[in-house]
Amino acid sequence: DAGITQSPRHKVTETGTPVTLRCHQTENHRYMYWYRQDPGHGLRLIHYSYGVKDTDKGEVSDGYSVSRSKTEDFLLTLESATSSQTSVYFCAISDYLGYTFGSGTRLTVV
Amino acid sequence: ILNVEQSPQSLHVQEGDSTNFTCSFPSSNFYALHWYRWETAKSPEALFVMTLNGDEKKKGRISATLNTKEGYSYLYIKGSQPEDSATYLCAFMRASGTYKYIFGTGTRLKVLA
Repeated sequence: DAGITQSPRHKVTETGTPVTLRCHQTENHRYMYWYRQDPGHGLRLIHYSYGVKDTDKGEVSDGYSVSRSKTEDFLLTLESATSSQTSVYFCAISDYLGYTFGSGTRLTVV
Repeated sequence: ILNVEQSPQSLHVQEGDSTNFTCSFPSSNFYALHWYRWETAKSPEALFVMTLNGDEKKKGRISATLNTKEGYSYLYIKGSQPEDSATYLCAFMRASGTYKYIFGTGTRLKVLA
C-alpha cells in the first residue's frame, strides 16, 4: 500500500523468543496503529500511537510493547513470543479519510 | 470494551442480486463510522467515512446509511458482481478524546456467478 510498509512480511519464530515487527510510513501521519487479525475476531487493536513517544494500549495489549522514536516508524515487540500470538499483524495510519493499512505480517510462533 | 457487531457473519448471493448488511454500535458519544472492503490476501481498503446522523454515501453500486441515534449503519450492494466478494468491515470511533477505532468482525460476502 502506498505510503505504509511493514516488515517482515512473514516470520516463524520459537516460543519464548523476542520478536520485533516494523511499520514505516512516508505520509507524516500523527496516528499509527497495530492490529492483529484472527479468525472469528476480526481486527483487534494492540497498541496505537498519537505522536513521537506517545503511545497507548488497545484492547489486546498484554504481551506486546511498542515504541515510536520517529514519526515514520512504529515498532511492535513481542517480548517473549507465545503460540497464542500466532496471527496476522496489520499496521495502519489514519487521517480524516480513514485508515490506510499495511500489507500485513504473518507471524507463526512454534 | 465497546461492542461493534456486524450481521450477518457471512452470506452467499447470486450475481445480480442486491444485498445489505448491518453494523451496530453504541449510540452514545458517536464520532465517526467507517466502512472497509477487505479482499482475501490484501489489506482493508476504505469505502466510506460517515460522521453525521442521516448520512448517505454512495460509490458506484455500493451505498451506506447511518443512524447514530439508534446505533446502526447499513451497507447496500446493488446488482452484486463476483468481484464484490470480500469481507466488509465497519469501524466505530467514540468521541472520547482517544483517536482509536473499534472494528466489527465483518460480513463475508460471496457472490456466485
